[in-house]
Amino acid sequence: DAGITQSPRYKITETGRQVTLMCHQTWSHSYMFWYRQDLGHGLRLIYYSAAADITDKGEVPDGYVVSRSKTENFPLTLESATRSQTSVYFCASSDKHARYGYTFGSGTRLTVV
Amino acid sequence: AQSVTQLDSQVPVFEEAPVELRCNYSSSVSVYLFWYVQYPNQGLQLLLKYLSGSTLVESINGFEAEFNKSQTSFHLRKPSVHISDTAEYFCAVSDEGAQKLVFGQGTRLTINP
Repeated sequence: DAGITQSPRYKITETGRQVTLMCHQTWSHSYMFWYRQDLGHGLRLIYYSAAADITDKGEVPDGYVVSRSKTENFPLTLESATRSQTSVYFCASSDKHARYGYTFGSGTRLTVV
Repeated sequence: AQSVTQLDSQVPVFEEAPVELRCNYSSSVSVYLFWYVQYPNQGLQLLLKYLSGSTLVESINGFEAEFNKSQTSFHLRKPSVHISDTAEYFCAVSDEGAQKLVFGQGTRLTINP
């Protein structure tokens, strides 16, 4: 099915472990984004990508790593998870102009214990 | 840099009552404006958008928003809400020609029977 898919839907991990959240889109959108959503902070941009092999930092990039070897995939890795990274993570994609808006995935709820 | 302010973090209303969710953005020559809705445990979905032309835009489920350039506002309204409208609503803005959307903090709309 066309759309944007995030996996896993829920994840519990321990402090210090590496965890990767996956994002896959079938729209062939050039732009992809990772946000985290926390109470009182709304949506905060972690990283974004304009095309394959082009990534850039957002508002809160520390502790996260991204890659984009293929247009359709944009994984987000927490290299050494901390409790402060407990959050709901959303992936989004967009055509090259913001006038079309963003398409969001269903989110990954990550708990770091 | 563009910024968005949603003046109310929570709005409780009774079913069938009217509602207005307020959104103001920092001034810019030309902007694109969006409202997104997030139902519980879901991702964000585009509700409506203003790109140009008529300043009043409508969604398929009875919401409308009016672009007011002089007041740099894009308030969302519905004349009669339903229980199913319970959700968090995000206003977003982009400078014309830019790619990134800037999101507000969100307004949680609670409908009481």
